[in-house]
Amino acid sequence: SQQGEEDPQALSIQEGENATMNCSYKTSINNLQWYRQNSGRGLVHLILIRSNEREKHSGRLRVTLDTSKKSSSLLITASRAADTASYFCATGNNNAGNMLTFGGGTRLMVKP
Amino acid sequence: GAVVSQHPSWVICKSGTSVKIECRSLDFQATTMFWYRQFPKQSLMLMATSNEGSKATYEQGVEKDKFLINHASLTLSTLTVTSAHPEDSSFYICSAEDGGTTEKLFFGSGTQLSVL
Repeated sequence: SQQGEEDPQALSIQEGENATMNCSYKTSINNLQWYRQNSGRGLVHLILIRSNEREKHSGRLRVTLDTSKKSSSLLITASRAADTASYFCATGNNNAGNMLTFGGGTRLMVKP
Repeated sequence: GAVVSQHPSWVICKSGTSVKIECRSLDFQATTMFWYRQFPKQSLMLMATSNEGSKATYEQGVEKDKFLINHASLTLSTLTVTSAHPEDSSFYICSAEDGGTTEKLFFGSGTQLSVL
């Protein structure tokens, strides 16, 4: 089963609005990463937050991590049509073979 | 940042054909590479962990004889889908580890396999 569960599965907003995606996980982690994937393309790494961090910013992206609730959120502010993509969270556990386990993803559509 | 090259990007083949997908780390050495499979509108599912110089570790439910993995050098891992069938049609993505932690995993651009 998936380590991460994302919600919502799909999100449709207008350009300029903020988009919030949530990710929950089940086991202990060393870090949590967010990726973007355009249709039929590879993954683009967006941001990494370590287990001892609570919040991180990168441009229009803001990620929070709550290890007590085993959850993370990705906020995209002032969205653009070019932000239309699928967004995945992935949890990293360095004691589990250094692999990433991906959540189900959120399909974001930003309407111009 | 580190670059992982995956080739080919897209393959269309007849049922029964074997298809080889290459994953190369271009500017770093990767003792470990990972192979994922992704169905349309779904997430990535880890298929196997490829270890340089040793046998790959397969996830539960993945047929090792169907998906042959070879990691013969520190910069190259290959996934061969043997005797491909239409149900093997999928998007396959590799990632390579640079530095021994999950913080330094770099992804290839993926291979879309379509089996007719």
